[in-house]
Amino acid sequence: QVQLQESGPGLVKPSETLSLTCTVSGGSISSYYWSWIRQPPGKGLEWIGYIYYSGSTNYNPSLKSRVTISVDTSKNQFSLKLSSVTAADTAVYYCARLHEGYDSSGYYYWYFDFWGRGTLVTVSS
Amino acid sequence: AIRMTQSPSSFSASTGDRVTITCRASQGISNYLAWYQQKPGKAPKLLIYAASTLQSGVPSRFSGSGSGTDFTLTISCLQSEDFATYYCQQYYSYPRTFGQGTKVEIK
Repeated sequence: QVQLQESGPGLVKPSETLSLTCTVSGGSISSYYWSWIRQPPGKGLEWIGYIYYSGSTNYNPSLKSRVTISVDTSKNQFSLKLSSVTAADTAVYYCARLHEGYDSSGYYYWYFDFWGRGTLVTVSS
Repeated sequence: AIRMTQSPSSFSASTGDRVTITCRASQGISNYLAWYQQKPGKAPKLLIYAASTLQSGVPSRFSGSGSGTDFTLTISCLQSEDFATYYCQQYYSYPRTFGQGTKVEIK
């Protein structure tokens, strides 16, 4: 069973860079896409972006200028950096495995099948 | 970005009820829609993809339908463990976007 675990500071100062790492266990990081999703307290979900194990990325345009997602296959980890944070970036940050393809009926799927527990990052001075 | 709008935002129901949640996309997304269930303090869990395909291991009381812009998630006989918040998510175009969520509470 694949397991994901987020790690990183729970408190970041305004204008600084938020940095989180997701460690994947129970399976290889290779051959999959890996994603970050966030959820402000009491609010809905926002997709931040994904990285393929080879290093190709796709980011949400609303965050693109501030986001970098990277992967370290040797450590089975991928990471998120979000620069110039403000209070609006306070959220629970989830890492997740992205599964995409076509099922046996020919239907295209693109979903998050394994998630970390999430980590609350608060932006405050 | 495609906007996903769910209705209602919340409602109360009783165990055994049949409940329906609606998700509307701001433009056509074919059947490229997933539904997730989230319980307090937990990560979301995939229920349905391709608008109507039940993920393995998800109880058959959950079903999804729709295509284009209008979609529904139905729980045929609400169980105690189904009280949660439900999100739709489109994967027709980037950026992937979620609905604002529908909270199902105990009456």
